[in-house]
Amino acid sequence: QKEVEQNSGPLSVPEGAIASLNCTYSDRGSQSFFWYRQYSGKSPELIMFIYSNGDKEDGRFTAQLNKASQYVSLLIRDSQPSDSATYLCAVNIANYQLIWGAGTKLIIKP
Amino acid sequence: NAGVTQTPKFQVLKTGQSMTLQCAQDMNHNSMYWYRQDPGMGLRLIYYSASEGTTDKGEVPNGYNVSRLNKREFSLRLESAAPSQTSVYFCASSEFRTANTEAFFGQGTRLTVV
Repeated sequence: QKEVEQNSGPLSVPEGAIASLNCTYSDRGSQSFFWYRQYSGKSPELIMFIYSNGDKEDGRFTAQLNKASQYVSLLIRDSQPSDSATYLCAVNIANYQLIWGAGTKLIIKP
Repeated sequence: NAGVTQTPKFQVLKTGQSMTLQCAQDMNHNSMYWYRQDPGMGLRLIYYSASEGTTDKGEVPNGYNVSRLNKREFSLRLESAAPSQTSVYFCASSEFRTANTEAFFGQGTRLTVV
């Protein structure tokens, strides 16, 4: 059974601090990794994807991938109250298919 | 530009009733998906259609059927609803010619089976 694991949280972070979200996956053949944000009652929206080992930065967001250890993380710098949401990690297991983690609920405290 | 549109947004069914969830995308994507999302669980793939004319089972297909009506539309049918099918359903589309392509989601359908 191919799995994606995330800490469900909630993860509480003060405004302006760095939020660190982690995800581990079981399928060593996975090639692409995605972070989606989902506000309560809304649909998921893509924040970033990464497919090479190392870091990928986009504004306040940095995705980190370590294929040897089978984990991917998302860092949010200068956290804002608007970042409060559930963050979903998704991993491709084959063409056209993604396996999703259950998500980490992030709360940014003003 | 509407993106992915799914209907209805809310639905209450009695056990044994049937219904069809409709989904349409206007982004000219080849691939479309139906997911369900339950509390404490990730999105689980019900069925997908890699391209027009093809459909395949995902992780949790039992109790559901799908139809890829054309490139734009992908419907999900519950033939005999059960309380275990109470969930939030999302339709999504993408262009998965490579594995690094964003999936766009509809606004979701909140289904309750009583």
